[in-house]
Amino acid sequence: NAGVTQTPKFQVLKTGQSMTLQCAQDMNHNSMYWYRQDPGMGLRLIYYSASEGTTDKGEVPNGYNVSRLNKREFSLRLESAAPSQTSVYFCASRFRGQDGYTFGSGTRLTVV
Amino acid sequence: EDQVTQSPEALRLQEGESSSLNCSYTVSGLRGLFWYRQDPGKGPEFLFTLYSAGEEKEKERLKATLTKKESFLHITAPKPEDSATYLCAVQASGTASKLTFGTGTRLQVTL
Repeated sequence: NAGVTQTPKFQVLKTGQSMTLQCAQDMNHNSMYWYRQDPGMGLRLIYYSASEGTTDKGEVPNGYNVSRLNKREFSLRLESAAPSQTSVYFCASRFRGQDGYTFGSGTRLTVV
Repeated sequence: EDQVTQSPEALRLQEGESSSLNCSYTVSGLRGLFWYRQDPGKGPEFLFTLYSAGEEKEKERLKATLTKKESFLHITAPKPEDSATYLCAVQASGTASKLTFGTGTRLQVTL
Protein backbone atom coordinates (compact mmCIF):
# COMPACT_ATOMS: atom_id res chain seq x y z
CA ASN A 1 0.00 0.00 0.00
CA ALA A 2 1.16 3.52 -0.77
CA GLY A 3 2.16 5.60 2.23
CA VAL A 4 4.90 6.45 4.69
CA THR A 5 7.02 3.58 6.00
CA GLN A 6 9.06 3.91 9.19
CA THR A 7 11.65 1.48 10.54
CA PRO A 8 12.15 0.19 13.12
CA LYS A 9 8.80 0.10 14.95
CA PHE A 10 10.38 -0.38 18.37
CA GLN A 11 13.89 0.23 19.70
CA VAL A 12 15.62 0.23 23.07
CA LEU A 13 18.93 2.07 23.36
CA LYS A 14 21.41 2.59 26.15
CA THR A 15 22.41 6.14 27.03
CA GLY A 16 25.16 7.28 24.68
CA GLN A 17 24.37 4.85 21.86
CA SER A 18 23.58 6.12 18.39
CA MET A 19 20.94 5.07 15.89
CA THR A 20 19.16 6.15 12.73
CA LEU A 21 15.42 6.11 12.23
CA GLN A 22 14.46 5.48 8.64
CA CYS A 23 11.50 6.95 6.75
CA ALA A 24 10.43 6.42 3.15
CA GLN A 25 7.39 7.57 1.20
CA ASP A 26 6.19 6.39 -2.21
CA MET A 27 3.65 9.14 -2.94
CA ASN A 28 6.03 11.50 -4.75
CA HIS A 29 5.61 14.04 -1.94
CA ASN A 30 7.94 17.03 -1.85
CA SER A 31 8.04 17.81 1.88
CA MET A 32 8.95 15.49 4.72
CA TYR A 33 8.89 15.97 8.50
CA TRP A 34 10.02 14.37 11.75
CA TYR A 35 7.87 14.84 14.86
CA ARG A 36 8.09 13.45 18.35
CA GLN A 37 5.05 12.76 20.51
CA ASP A 38 5.22 12.78 24.29
CA PRO A 39 2.35 12.45 26.80
CA GLY A 40 0.79 15.84 27.54
CA MET A 41 3.06 17.63 25.03
CA GLY A 42 1.45 17.01 21.68
CA LEU A 43 3.39 16.47 18.50
CA ARG A 44 6.51 18.64 18.26
CA LEU A 45 8.49 19.24 15.08
CA ILE A 46 12.13 18.14 15.19
CA TYR A 47 13.32 18.76 11.60
CA TYR A 48 11.74 19.10 8.23
CA SER A 49 12.71 19.07 4.57
CA ALA A 50 10.61 21.33 2.37
CA SER A 51 12.10 19.79 -0.77
CA GLU A 52 14.84 17.40 -1.84
CA GLY A 53 18.22 18.85 -0.92
CA THR A 54 17.01 21.13 1.89
CA THR A 55 16.58 20.59 5.61
CA ASP A 56 15.63 22.97 8.43
CA LYS A 57 15.32 22.89 12.19
CA GLY A 58 11.96 22.68 13.87
CA GLU A 59 10.92 23.35 17.45
CA VAL A 60 13.11 20.73 19.21
CA PRO A 61 16.20 19.93 17.06
CA ASN A 62 18.85 19.56 19.78
CA GLY A 63 20.42 16.10 19.87
CA TYR A 64 19.22 15.14 16.39
CA ASN A 65 20.47 15.30 12.81
CA VAL A 66 18.68 14.55 9.57
CA SER A 67 19.47 13.56 6.01
CA ARG A 68 17.20 13.92 3.01
CA LEU A 69 18.79 11.10 1.03
CA ASN A 70 16.58 11.54 -2.04
CA LYS A 71 12.98 12.54 -2.72
CA ARG A 72 11.65 9.37 -1.08
CA GLU A 73 13.80 9.04 2.04
CA PHE A 74 14.33 11.22 5.12
CA SER A 75 16.31 9.79 8.04
CA LEU A 76 16.66 10.98 11.63
CA ARG A 77 19.87 10.29 13.56
CA LEU A 78 20.49 10.34 17.28
CA GLU A 79 24.26 10.64 17.74
CA SER A 80 24.37 10.07 21.51
CA ALA A 81 21.00 9.01 22.90
CA ALA A 82 19.73 10.45 26.18
CA PRO A 83 16.77 9.35 28.36
CA SER A 84 15.03 12.63 27.44
CA GLN A 85 14.81 11.31 23.88
CA THR A 86 12.51 8.49 24.95
CA SER A 87 9.44 9.16 22.82
CA VAL A 88 7.35 8.06 19.87
CA TYR A 89 8.76 9.41 16.61
CA PHE A 90 6.58 10.05 13.59
CA CYS A 91 7.64 10.76 10.06
CA ALA A 92 5.21 12.59 7.77
CA SER A 93 5.13 13.78 4.19
CA ARG A 94 3.11 16.24 2.15
CA PHE A 95 2.75 17.13 -1.50
CA ARG A 96 3.32 20.82 -2.06
CA GLY A 97 0.02 22.72 -1.90
CA GLN A 98 -2.02 19.67 -0.95
CA ASP A 99 -4.09 19.23 2.20
CA GLY A 100 -2.73 17.54 5.27
CA TYR A 101 0.22 15.37 6.09
CA THR A 102 0.40 11.62 5.65
CA PHE A 103 1.95 10.10 8.75
CA GLY A 104 3.85 6.86 9.23
CA SER A 105 2.93 4.44 11.99
CA GLY A 106 5.70 5.61 14.31
CA THR A 107 8.85 4.36 16.04
CA ARG A 108 8.62 3.83 19.78
CA LEU A 109 12.09 4.57 21.22
CA THR A 110 13.16 3.95 24.78
CA VAL A 111 16.54 5.17 26.06
CA VAL A 112 17.69 3.57 29.32
CA GLU B 1 4.40 31.99 19.25
CA ASP B 2 1.64 29.87 17.75
CA GLN B 3 -0.50 28.04 20.30
CA VAL B 4 -3.23 25.42 20.10
CA THR B 5 -5.39 24.41 23.10
CA GLN B 6 -7.86 21.57 22.90
CA SER B 7 -10.72 20.83 25.28
CA PRO B 8 -11.84 18.71 26.91
CA GLU B 9 -8.81 16.47 27.43
CA ALA B 10 -11.07 13.44 27.54
CA LEU B 11 -14.72 12.86 26.68
CA ARG B 12 -16.88 9.82 27.21
CA LEU B 13 -20.12 9.54 25.23
CA GLN B 14 -22.77 6.93 24.85
CA GLU B 15 -23.52 5.71 21.35
CA GLY B 16 -25.83 8.22 19.69
CA GLU B 17 -25.00 11.05 22.13
CA SER B 18 -23.83 14.02 20.02
CA SER B 19 -21.18 16.44 21.27
CA SER B 20 -18.45 18.86 20.21
CA LEU B 21 -14.70 19.09 20.66
CA ASN B 22 -13.05 22.50 20.90
CA CYS B 23 -9.77 23.79 19.47
CA SER B 24 -8.72 27.33 20.43
CA TYR B 25 -5.76 28.83 18.63
CA THR B 26 -3.53 31.88 18.42
CA VAL B 27 -1.45 32.22 15.29
CA SER B 28 0.23 35.01 13.39
CA GLY B 29 -1.81 34.73 10.23
CA LEU B 30 -3.74 31.50 9.80
CA ARG B 31 -2.97 29.60 6.64
CA GLY B 32 -4.90 26.48 7.62
CA LEU B 33 -6.41 24.59 10.56
CA PHE B 34 -6.19 20.81 10.45
CA TRP B 35 -8.05 18.01 12.23
CA TYR B 36 -6.56 14.54 12.60
CA ARG B 37 -7.73 11.30 14.17
CA GLN B 38 -5.23 9.08 15.99
CA ASP B 39 -5.89 5.50 17.07
CA PRO B 40 -3.74 3.91 19.80
CA GLY B 41 -0.34 2.83 18.51
CA LYS B 42 -0.86 4.44 15.11
CA GLY B 43 0.06 7.63 13.33
CA PRO B 44 -2.44 10.49 12.98
CA GLU B 45 -4.87 10.22 10.08
CA PHE B 46 -5.87 13.39 8.23
CA LEU B 47 -9.55 14.40 8.45
CA PHE B 48 -10.07 18.05 7.40
CA THR B 49 -8.41 21.32 6.53
CA LEU B 50 -10.22 24.63 7.12
CA TYR B 51 -8.83 27.84 5.67
CA SER B 52 -11.09 30.74 6.62
CA ALA B 53 -13.64 31.75 9.26
CA GLY B 54 -17.10 30.48 8.45
CA GLU B 55 -15.87 27.45 6.55
CA GLU B 56 -17.38 24.03 7.35
CA LYS B 57 -16.46 20.52 6.22
CA GLU B 58 -18.19 17.20 6.81
CA LYS B 59 -17.23 13.56 6.70
CA GLU B 60 -19.72 10.91 7.81
CA ARG B 61 -20.64 11.76 11.43
CA LEU B 62 -18.01 14.51 11.76
CA LYS B 63 -18.37 18.18 10.94
CA ALA B 64 -15.62 20.75 11.46
CA THR B 65 -16.25 24.48 11.72
CA LEU B 66 -13.93 27.47 12.01
CA THR B 67 -14.10 30.95 13.55
CA LYS B 68 -11.33 33.52 13.92
CA LYS B 69 -10.35 32.14 17.33
CA GLU B 70 -11.46 28.52 17.46
CA SER B 71 -12.61 25.43 15.65
CA PHE B 72 -15.18 22.84 16.64
CA LEU B 73 -15.38 19.21 15.68
CA HIS B 74 -19.02 18.18 15.99
CA ILE B 75 -19.75 14.48 16.31
CA THR B 76 -23.32 13.52 15.49
CA ALA B 77 -24.75 10.21 16.77
CA PRO B 78 -21.30 8.72 17.43
CA LYS B 79 -20.55 5.01 17.23
CA PRO B 80 -17.96 3.01 19.20
CA GLU B 81 -15.67 3.03 16.15
CA ASP B 82 -15.38 6.82 16.50
CA SER B 83 -13.38 6.27 19.69
CA ALA B 84 -9.92 7.79 19.16
CA THR B 85 -7.83 10.82 20.01
CA TYR B 86 -8.67 13.85 17.87
CA LEU B 87 -5.83 16.28 17.19
CA CYS B 88 -6.05 19.88 16.02
CA ALA B 89 -3.16 21.71 14.35
CA VAL B 90 -2.55 25.12 12.78
CA GLN B 91 -0.25 26.31 10.04
CA ALA B 92 0.82 29.94 10.14
CA SER B 93 1.49 31.97 7.02
CA GLY B 94 5.07 31.78 5.79
CA THR B 95 6.03 28.73 7.85
CA ALA B 96 6.86 26.29 5.06
CA SER B 97 4.11 23.80 5.88
CA LYS B 98 5.07 23.41 9.55
CA LEU B 99 2.15 22.52 11.80
CA THR B 100 1.69 23.32 15.51
CA PHE B 101 -0.40 20.66 17.25
CA GLY B 102 -2.62 20.65 20.30
CA THR B 103 -2.44 17.84 22.83
CA GLY B 104 -5.68 16.27 21.63
CA THR B 105 -9.06 15.15 22.96
CA ARG B 106 -9.38 11.48 23.84
CA LEU B 107 -12.89 10.36 22.87
CA GLN B 108 -14.49 7.16 24.09
CA VAL B 109 -17.88 6.09 22.76
CA THR B 110 -19.62 3.29 24.65
CA LEU B 111 -22.62 1.12 23.79
